[in-house]
Amino acid sequence: NAGVTQTPKFRVLKTGQSMTLLCAQDMNHEYMYWYRQDPGMGLRLIHYSVGEGTTAKGEVPDGYNVSRLKKQNFLLGLESAAPSQTSVYFCASSYPLTGRDTDTQYFGPGTRLTVL
Amino acid sequence: QQQVKQSPQSLIVQKGGISIINCAYENTAFDYFPWYQQFPGKGPALLIAIRPDVSEKKEGRFTISFNKSAKQFSLHIMDSQPGDSATYFCAASFSEWSGSNYKLTFGKGTLLTVNP
Repeated sequence: NAGVTQTPKFRVLKTGQSMTLLCAQDMNHEYMYWYRQDPGMGLRLIHYSVGEGTTAKGEVPDGYNVSRLKKQNFLLGLESAAPSQTSVYFCASSYPLTGRDTDTQYFGPGTRLTVL
Repeated sequence: QQQVKQSPQSLIVQKGGISIINCAYENTAFDYFPWYQQFPGKGPALLIAIRPDVSEKKEGRFTISFNKSAKQFSLHIMDSQPGDSATYFCAASFSEWSGSNYKLTFGKGTLLTVNP
């Protein structure tokens, strides 16, 4: 199993450009999450999903949109990038319907985004 | 409003020493307290977790101590090794189905450096 994968690994955008970050998981998890990590700020939840076709706002949702059309994929979109969105973005998944280990979140390797 | 406060921000320990990282939480409804370990360039990974029905949990050199009345929990790394050098995050969530959707609230992280 690959676990949680993220595409791309690095990206540089100019202010106002748009892009989509892709997260994929092969663990049949119900829940998926997008976080951003900034120095001294820890991990902050942007949006999350509790199942295919559902999304919800997290702690810092402004400027981002998400979609979960397939259970294994969770997309994070930036419609008009701003320098304040320069960050490292992590995707995570959790909650298999069968078995235990419902609480553990499994993280991807991250996407480093720079907005100029 | 930060709900999980973590200290110190950084910690330098000699090889073989004990590393101690502390966290305090505000919401008494939290009932799941994990610690995540993150190496540079990687995503966080679950290290150890505890629920409030026990005061201590040990896994190898890693121990969580939990004080429910003080709303505090800490990570102790015994016989610290250079390979333990990483950023450590404490977190808290509601593990039972309460509408929280297993969302984790993270502390801001502690950068641990273990000198050889």
